[in-house]
Amino acid sequence: DQQVKQNSPSLSVQEGRISILNCDYTNSMFDYFLWYKKYPAEGPTFLISISSIKDKNEDGRFTVFLNKSAKHLSLHIVPSQPGDSAVYFCAARAFSSGSARQLTFGSGTQLTVLP
Amino acid sequence: ETGVTQSPTHLIKTRGQQVTLRCSSQSGHNTVSWYQQALGQGPQFIFQYYREEENGRGNFPPRFSGLQFPNYSSELNVNALELDDSALYLCASSLGGQAGGDTQYFGPGTRLTVL
Repeated sequence: DQQVKQNSPSLSVQEGRISILNCDYTNSMFDYFLWYKKYPAEGPTFLISISSIKDKNEDGRFTVFLNKSAKHLSLHIVPSQPGDSAVYFCAARAFSSGSARQLTFGSGTQLTVLP
Repeated sequence: ETGVTQSPTHLIKTRGQQVTLRCSSQSGHNTVSWYQQALGQGPQFIFQYYREEENGRGNFPPRFSGLQFPNYSSELNVNALELDDSALYLCASSLGGQAGGDTQYFGPGTRLTVL
């Protein structure tokens, strides 16, 4: 049972345009969401996160939107740059005091930014 | 500030053998989580260690075991290797406990191939 889903395996965008990566989840206990970027032969790099008490968080070119009623979040990258080309993972954490704050990941979306 | 490091980078083993992977956490972090990433999938949670105690475990058999040392570095041990254990093994560190955050920072991973 996939609790975090990234339904688009790949996305191509022109340089300077907006990239929108989507993520859906099913577990209502998730209260913290993160986006990671991964280049080949490297570990995932943290990009941006959002708590379930917010619906938007912005950091430079990256903005994450959370729609709790739809159990959907998205990552917007504006403007997109060729260096943004990587696999993007959505991850979520369920609140559980005193136990592991494990992350549940989606399967990733390969973003390609074309020059 | 030193990031998360893992060793070795690559490893080739044969079925039935045992393997030990190592991880040094980021400076100031007391929690280490291990993940397995199969090709084309997102990372899957194996287990987490907080202050030298196992703090949670994912859906992995007992032949996957771990340790955390007083300096918060960690080992992942896998016994009786199977072909399906071939994957990228990722270590992530974070600051756990009541004052801890939820963001986990990943190392570059160890690529394990089982023949």
